[in-house]
Amino acid sequence: AQTVTQSQPEMSVQEAETVTLSCTYDTSENNYYLFWYKQPPSRQMILVIRQEAYKQQNATENRFSVNFQKAAKSFSLKISDSQLGDTAMYFCAFMKRGFNNAGNMLTFGGGTRLMVKP
Amino acid sequence: GAGVSQSPRYKVAKRGQDVALRCDPISGHVSLFWYQQALGQGPEFLTYFQNEAQLDKSGLPSDRFFAERPEGSVSTLKIQRTQQEDSAVYLCASSLGGTSSSYNSPLHFGNGTRLTVT
Repeated sequence: AQTVTQSQPEMSVQEAETVTLSCTYDTSENNYYLFWYKQPPSRQMILVIRQEAYKQQNATENRFSVNFQKAAKSFSLKISDSQLGDTAMYFCAFMKRGFNNAGNMLTFGGGTRLMVKP
Repeated sequence: GAGVSQSPRYKVAKRGQDVALRCDPISGHVSLFWYQQALGQGPEFLTYFQNEAQLDKSGLPSDRFFAERPEGSVSTLKIQRTQQEDSAVYLCASSLGGTSSSYNSPLHFGNGTRLTVT
């Protein structure tokens, strides 16, 4: 079984500054995917960024980037130039990669509440 | 609309009542997942469908929980004899799935149903 741990229940950052959210995971799998999801008050989970475990290069999506350390089983999210609209819950998630990827479910961490202050 | 639609958005039930939660996935999406999200926690997997087949129901917490997707599109999650510990947000997600990698056909989540059992 996989576990995902987010050790920061809450974080705050000033608008336009940079913030890093932490995530660690535990698994015996070698092939897997990692994700960061954003959940605003509307409750809809929105994919922010994703990483394939076999890729050494860290994923980047505009202002969002990750620091993936496979040996340490760490997957942190960096948000640059924070905007008020980034205020939300952020969840780190793990998905193992099997022969048939279609049915593999996500294992989520407990979440980090991020508040961007004006 | 083009997204995953869930209804009702809010449901209040008295302990012991039965409830039915509906999910309309994106048209053509093969894979459908149900997750349960307790207050202040990350979502937890309940069950997975590929078309009309329920391939994984390992996350259902008890035999009071039942899910179906009879025609491979709309899905219903039913909870019988609700208990207070069933209070949570129930999230539905769909993806193209099938033979497509879940990594390349990411999950699309609905806005969830918030169930409160009094």
